[in-house]
Amino acid sequence: QKEVEQNSGPLSVPEGAIASLNCTYSDRGSQSFFWYRQYSGKSPELIMSIYSNGDKEDGRFTAQLNKASQYVSLLIRDSQPSDSATYLCAVNKNTDKLIFGTGTRLQVFP
Amino acid sequence: DAGVIQSPRHEVTEMGQEVTLRCKPISGHDYLFWYRQTMMRGLELLIYFNNNVPIDDSGMPEDRFSAKMPNASFSTLKIQPSEPRDSAVYFCASSSTGGGSTDTQYFGPGTRLTVL
Repeated sequence: QKEVEQNSGPLSVPEGAIASLNCTYSDRGSQSFFWYRQYSGKSPELIMSIYSNGDKEDGRFTAQLNKASQYVSLLIRDSQPSDSATYLCAVNKNTDKLIFGTGTRLQVFP
Repeated sequence: DAGVIQSPRHEVTEMGQEVTLRCKPISGHDYLFWYRQTMMRGLELLIYFNNNVPIDDSGMPEDRFSAKMPNASFSTLKIQPSEPRDSAVYFCASSSTGGGSTDTQYFGPGTRLTVL
């Protein structure tokens, strides 16, 4: 079992819709959770971090964490074609290291 | 700030050759991370440094890989001898605190390595 699992996609959504990206992790001791966005041929960039159960909103992005079920999700409201990218989930187990999932490719079509 | 700088951006070499990848972290950052990204395995941490000291190299695939950080503004990742399965994009990232903190890891543009 991989430490961090994501559906590779592609996840295709129409412009203006809500995109829902999911991630599960295996270690119950995980403390911090991150979503990175990576455009094709570019480097990852952090878009959201979440540390406690519940929702965290930042503009059109909402991160959701459920430690009991060991999953974290990212919702993108009013999806735009510019949101088309690969979204990487990363988990930290109270160390200095991040464990990344393999990413979900999101395609937003006009 | 110029961000994390990596060189070269692209490297094509033949099997058996030595490859050296270079990274300049953001000034003032205490942590430096080397990652490798492939389609099959995703983004994998190879090694990371804190204050120029290697802390965890458990992700280094084998003895052909080595990394150094002689000072706070420079790090190298060396592969000797290189093999076709080393073909990947290698990222360097830096942060002012560890990966589990609220601080962000900033990634360089990456080096795309192709070993023929």
